[in-house]
Amino acid sequence: QITLKESGPTLVKPTQTLTLTCTFSGFSLSSGGVGVAWIRQPPGKALEWLALIYWDDDKRYSPSLKSRLTITKDTSKNQVVLTMTNMDPADTATYFCAHSPRGFDRFDSWGQGTLVIVTS
Amino acid sequence: SSEVTQDPVVSVALGQTVRITCQGDGLRNFYPSWYQQKPGQAPVLVVYGKNNRPSEIPDRFSGSSSGDTASLTIAGAQAEDEADYYCNCRDSSGRHLVFGGGTKLTVL
Repeated sequence: QITLKESGPTLVKPTQTLTLTCTFSGFSLSSGGVGVAWIRQPPGKALEWLALIYWDDDKRYSPSLKSRLTITKDTSKNQVVLTMTNMDPADTATYFCAHSPRGFDRFDSWGQGTLVIVTS
Repeated sequence: SSEVTQDPVVSVALGQTVRITCQGDGLRNFYPSWYQQKPGQAPVLVVYGKNNRPSEIPDRFSGSSSGDTASLTIAGAQAEDEADYYCNCRDSSGRHLVFGGGTKLTVL
């Protein structure tokens, strides 16, 4: 059974850097083809794909946010970390991490999400 | 283009068939995945690839693609299918993923 859980601060001030951790179980991020993605959803709005890291450390970023995002993995700890710099109130959202298995693009398991509010 | 468009609102009578569409350049070369999201919950994968469903998803959910358009079809919609539906696919570069704006499905 695959599980993922996001953790990080609930409140962040504008201009600060956000660091979120996705801790997972039930799969290995060293298995071929596997990836973990970060996706966010502002209140009442649509899902937005942010970043994806693959088993071989290939990293993909949303072109519109690429300059602000960094995704890393710690295979030994079963964790994926996302950092987002220069936070703005428009970044207020629920942030999800999700498992991307080998094969067709898809996110077959999701964390519960963590709400991040950007406010001074 | 990195945009993927969906109709914002779709309604269907109980027991009828409904199609939710998604349009984007990346769909010409890559299959989408589809997600159902109910209020306060994380999204759930319902269809992916050419027309694949996770084992727990009812077979009334199916997917298809043609050109730059993909469709999620619900045959015999049930009250519990009322939710937001999102497609996700690669952009035209093939290197990045993008979500559509979502479709709110109402079952009448």
